[in-house]
Amino acid sequence: DTEVTQTPKHLVMGMTNKKSLKCEQHMGHRAMYWYKQKAKKPPELMFVYSYEKLSINESVPSRFSPECPNSSLLNLHLHALQPEDSALYLCASSSRGLAGDKNIQYFGAGTRLSVL
Amino acid sequence: DQQVKQNSPSLSVQEGRISILNCDYTNSMFDYFLWYKKYPAEGPTFLISISSIKDKNEDGRFTVFLNKSAKHLSLHIVPSQPGDSAVYFCAASVIGWQGGKLIFGQGTELSVKP
Repeated sequence: DTEVTQTPKHLVMGMTNKKSLKCEQHMGHRAMYWYKQKAKKPPELMFVYSYEKLSINESVPSRFSPECPNSSLLNLHLHALQPEDSALYLCASSSRGLAGDKNIQYFGAGTRLSVL
Repeated sequence: DQQVKQNSPSLSVQEGRISILNCDYTNSMFDYFLWYKKYPAEGPTFLISISSIKDKNEDGRFTVFLNKSAKHLSLHIVPSQPGDSAVYFCAASVIGWQGGKLIFGQGTELSVKP
């Protein structure tokens, strides 16, 4: 089972709203990732959590706030977003936060976010 | 600065023929490469990977070739099937890179026609 579950599938929010994206995996993976993907573009890494600690922050604006409550869950809290933040937000997990054959990243289906 | 490039935005192939998707990279530190397939409204699905100690890796209908001197890799799909129609991303990383960061190419949209 290589399933990563993301909720909600779609989200529409205003620029003053606060919302959260959720990601869950039960593969025993210890690394989890948030990516942002705009239309016709590749996924861009935002954050990496390794063993529930923030390992990488790719200079993401503070209006995006990640949280890793435990090894199976990853949240992305959204506040005061801009219309240009509208995108597909993808969560991924891997065995450990290192590249290599034993650390393939498996992706969820994503949350399609629209900021009005 | 685009470190991983897929210069063909789209490719159309007849069912049963070979599909060849290409990817070039510029960073000589990259030593681990992956291909992902993405259908609309789904997340990327891992297909196949290769490390720089090999020049070929095969899994069923999918074969990835790596030419380190040319900094080029390709994905061959034989025979192509209509269900293979999707966007294909190549990605590169460095084995042991903290965080396991992947650098993705722009993607190639493959269309396999019956």
